[in-house]
Parts: sequence; C-alpha cells; structure tokens
Amino acid sequence: NAGVTQTPKFQVLKTGQSMTLQCAQDMNHEYMSWYRQDPGMGLRLIHYSVGAGITDQGEVPNGYNVSRSTTEDFPLRLLSAAPSQTSVYFCASSYSPHLDQPQHFGDGTRLSIL
Amino acid sequence: QKEVEQDPGPLSVPEGAIVSLNCTYSNSAFQYFMWYRQYSRKGPELLMYTYSSGNKEDGRFTAQVDKSSKYISLFIRDSQPSDSATYLCAMSDRGSTLGRLYFGRGTQLTVWP
Repeated sequence: NAGVTQTPKFQVLKTGQSMTLQCAQDMNHEYMSWYRQDPGMGLRLIHYSVGAGITDQGEVPNGYNVSRSTTEDFPLRLLSAAPSQTSVYFCASSYSPHLDQPQHFGDGTRLSIL
Repeated sequence: QKEVEQDPGPLSVPEGAIVSLNCTYSNSAFQYFMWYRQYSRKGPELLMYTYSSGNKEDGRFTAQVDKSSKYISLFIRDSQPSDSATYLCAMSDRGSTLGRLYFGRGTQLTVWP
C-alpha cells in the first residue's frame, strides 16, 4: 500500500516554463488537495477536489490548474512558472472532507523556479 | 495579522522533558483544531484532533484548547529523540467539512539524548 505518491521529488524550471506535478493515491479516497509550504508561511491550500470531475479553488489558486478525471489521480499544472512559485508542494487525500478524517500527505515535490 | 500564529522555535530539549507547543488565533469562529507532525523531507501526519474547548489525551500527547483565550497547546510527556520534528497546528471554521484549513508556520523541535 503506497499511500499518496508524488512525482517528481525535485524539479528546477525556468521562468515561463510549464509543468505538471503528479499525485496518485491508492486508498480509494474521494477527497484530494494540493498545498504549498513556504518558509514562515505554513501550508496554504491551492486547489481541492471532493471527487472525480469536481474541483474547487483554495486560498492561493492563481497560476495553477487542476483536474480530476479519476479517483486515484489529481495532477497540479503550473501554466507559466514564476519565481514566486518556488516552494514545496504537498498533495493530500482523505476518505472524506470531514475534519475528523486524517489527511494523508505525500512526501512533497520541491520546485525551484529560476 | 495572520489568522494563526505559531512560534517557529527552534526548540531544543533533553530526552524525558515535557514539551509545550502553542498556537494563538484571531478568528473566534474556529471550532476544529489539529496538530500535525512533520519529519524532515516528509509530508505532515495528523497527531491530534479536537473539537471546541477542552483536553484530549493520546499516549504521551495531550492537546488543549482554550477558546476564550484563542489559544491551543500540545504537550509531549517523556519526550524522545524520535519526537524531533516540526509540529504544525491547524484549525478550521467550516463545520464538519474540510474546506479551508488554516495552518500555523510550525515549531521545529529537537529532543537530544
């Protein structure tokens, strides 16, 4: 049981490039989300999904797109990378969006934009 | 003012010490309070979850919520080197749905043998 798998673990991009951060979970969780973690800022919610075909914006959605075509996968797309998007990105999933259900986090993707 | 304030530390204690980690918040609507533990180069993992005011105990960990003071705490008894990690508080006002979680910036804890 792999849990939440994020790829790649590290990536360096140039300003203006696009890329997709992959997230996959094998726990049949309906709820998935993307966070970014910056020094001194804590974790901030980018986008989330309550099931296949349903996504919504979080606190900091600008510059990012998501889609949810399957229960297992929830990719995050950077449309035109900017240095301000340098961060560590975490994907999380849970059985339901209720707060008493633990969120399972992946180990993160460390992204640097030059 | 940030919604959730958490002293980033670092905090360094000897093995066996009692550790107190704290967060303050400004939104009186917050009702759901969580503590996550994050090891270096890993994702956060949920440690404790509490609803409204009061205490909750789980082994060596105790979570306290004081809504009148807008203050939450996590106590670790008999701390171990394996407790060395960053501890994040998180809270929400969205009823029983996840919605938007507000995270503190984390406190880095080192427990030395």
